[in-house]
Amino acid sequence: AQKVTQAQTEISVVEKEDVTLDCVYETRDTTYYLFWYKQPPSGELVFLIRRNSFDEQNEISGRYSWNFQKSTSSFNFTITASQVVDSAVYFCALSEGLSGNTPLVFGKGTRLSVIA
Amino acid sequence: DAMVIQNPRYQVTQFGKPVTLSCSQTLNHNVMYWYQQKSSQAPKLLFHYYDKDFNNEADTPDNFQSRRPNTSFCFLDIRSPGLGDAAMYLCATSRGPPRTGLSTDTQYFGPGTRLTVL
Repeated sequence: AQKVTQAQTEISVVEKEDVTLDCVYETRDTTYYLFWYKQPPSGELVFLIRRNSFDEQNEISGRYSWNFQKSTSSFNFTITASQVVDSAVYFCALSEGLSGNTPLVFGKGTRLSVIA
Repeated sequence: DAMVIQNPRYQVTQFGKPVTLSCSQTLNHNVMYWYQQKSSQAPKLLFHYYDKDFNNEADTPDNFQSRRPNTSFCFLDIRSPGLGDAAMYLCATSRGPPRTGLSTDTQYFGPGTRLTVL
């Protein structure tokens, strides 16, 4: 069975600090996809990144970076020099690929508060 | 430009009074999804359409129905809303590769409709 664990329920940081959001997943498939979504107070889920299980390269996009490690089944997300606009709930999600009709499974989310 | 549009953004209904939520997309995606998200919880998939093929999650209550009259639109009907159905309802779309690996495509979400049941 697939499962996503985001152990950090809430994190609070001061602006300009770096912050890492943890995500640990479980799956029996060798082919799967991992996602991060941001949900600001407005409610919309904003897609941030998608990574497949065959691509362990870390990725950087501006102040965002992602560290994918299959050995520890983790897909952590780091925000560098955090800003108030980064305040949101962040969801990690897993989808088992190429096996047909499988839903996107979300973690419970991490609420990030960035204080000015 | 908005790609996944949900109307209304806020909906208030009375206990037991049927309500319909609307979702439209300009992406021409094959797959449309409906999620329910209760306060401080993760989104939970209710059902999805691949083109006109309807796929219901096993634990979705019968009280929830859906219609997809064409590629662009998908509706969520709640036949008899209860207090426990108060939630944010999120619509999402994905391109959907040819009938395998259905959910490997990225899902793009609308802004959601927040439903209040009085």
